[in-house]
Amino acid sequence: AAGVIQSPRHLIKEKRETATLKCYPIPRHDTVYWYQQGPGQDPQFLISFYEKMQSDKGSIPDRFSAQQFSDYHSELNMSSLELGDSALYFCASSLGTVSYNEQFFGPGTRLTVL
Amino acid sequence: AQKITQTQPGMFVQEKEAVTLDCTYDTSDPSYGLFWYKQPSSGEMIFLIYQGSYDQQNATEGRYSLNFQKARKSANLVISASQLGDSAMYFCAMREGNTGKLIFGQGTTLQVKP
Repeated sequence: AAGVIQSPRHLIKEKRETATLKCYPIPRHDTVYWYQQGPGQDPQFLISFYEKMQSDKGSIPDRFSAQQFSDYHSELNMSSLELGDSALYFCASSLGTVSYNEQFFGPGTRLTVL
Repeated sequence: AQKITQTQPGMFVQEKEAVTLDCTYDTSDPSYGLFWYKQPSSGEMIFLIYQGSYDQQNATEGRYSLNFQKARKSANLVISASQLGDSAMYFCAMREGNTGKLIFGQGTTLQVKP
């Protein structure tokens, strides 16, 4: 079965550079979530989209922006990167936003900021 | 505010024995879902089991079962017949109402000894 696809899997950037992370949800899934997991930390919710509209927002820095496109894939744009942005970034998708729908996670993008 | 607490940073279990990983939660929303995810050292988030707030019976998925005690607000994961491949970080997470986002606990590292 098709899973959530994230690209790239690994990314190395310098401070103050920009990065774009991409997420392709499971076919027919209309909801995408982004999470950030720092070293030794639990995943923290950043932002979510339902039917191409932002549905919820968490602790996402103003330097970050995201959107969901007409084909339901999503991109997380990160500017003025800081050392503290080094983390594993997960995208997850689900069918709708109700509490009993499972969220399927992608393999994650490991971002390292030097 | 919603909160998930995992009080066991690390656990050891002998191969073939059962182990219980603790999770307590706090929410004022009557509709919520509780999830357990496994995160091996490779980093991916693997869905294990789900329990809905209105479910009358405890969820089971193969060797995984969820001991759901609603009045005590606990949702402990029981792994039976532990295997070496069960060594990983385990996260308890809650999904509240219609927001869709997951709130994670701090995680428990499980090590299975041969």
